[in-house]
Amino acid sequence: IAGITQAPTSQILAAGRRMTLRCTQDMRHNAMYWYRQDLGLGLRLIHYSNTAGTTGKGEVPDGYSVSRANTDDFPLTLASAVPSQTSVYFCATSGGSSYNEQFFGPGTRLTVL
Amino acid sequence: GQNIDQPTEMTATEGAIVQINCTYQTSGFNGLFWYQQHAGEAPTFLSYNVLDGLEEKGRFSSFLSRSKGYSYLLLKELQMKDSASYLCACLDSNYQLIWGAGTKLIIKP
Repeated sequence: IAGITQAPTSQILAAGRRMTLRCTQDMRHNAMYWYRQDLGLGLRLIHYSNTAGTTGKGEVPDGYSVSRANTDDFPLTLASAVPSQTSVYFCATSGGSSYNEQFFGPGTRLTVL
Repeated sequence: GQNIDQPTEMTATEGAIVQINCTYQTSGFNGLFWYQQHAGEAPTFLSYNVLDGLEEKGRFSSFLSRSKGYSYLLLKELQMKDSASYLCACLDSNYQLIWGAGTKLIIKP
């Protein structure tokens, strides 16, 4: 693994289904983040974790949950997907520099029908 | 509320200079970032400013005025590969990044 990986790369999902987006890092960064990016709206923070064992809500947390059992993994779960959750999802990490620069995974393109 | 404004789209010519502006209003301020994002890819870090002034890094420079809530990204000697979106983001009092919607830069030959 080099940096941050996300899976799947893309997914088409029926409304009402449960879905978990995976994020794994090998950078040993303490903080991890989940963003969604929609055209014209920029990146919006869904949930974050400052360190293993803790999580917090971002700007748009409704309909999403996260867990942080260890440093490397930060899965994002959609309990019951809705079409408004169609978006590109980015996982990011920070902690390696003095000014909290964030590093991004390649993203997951999710379509909910 | 927190708000970051930047132009939606700009067009420039290969070899020229372009300045992308960003104004911000945030609850607390712990620095401003510029990221580059090519279509279909993840954002990548370009620069960080926390003190007033100009930071130069090769063909790219970033300026910050904290008193004016203003920053700009200056790209010199534009190349076709600079066609991308440029995202302005501020680190607020909780050390969370607040993102602008991004400026799509189109480079023409």
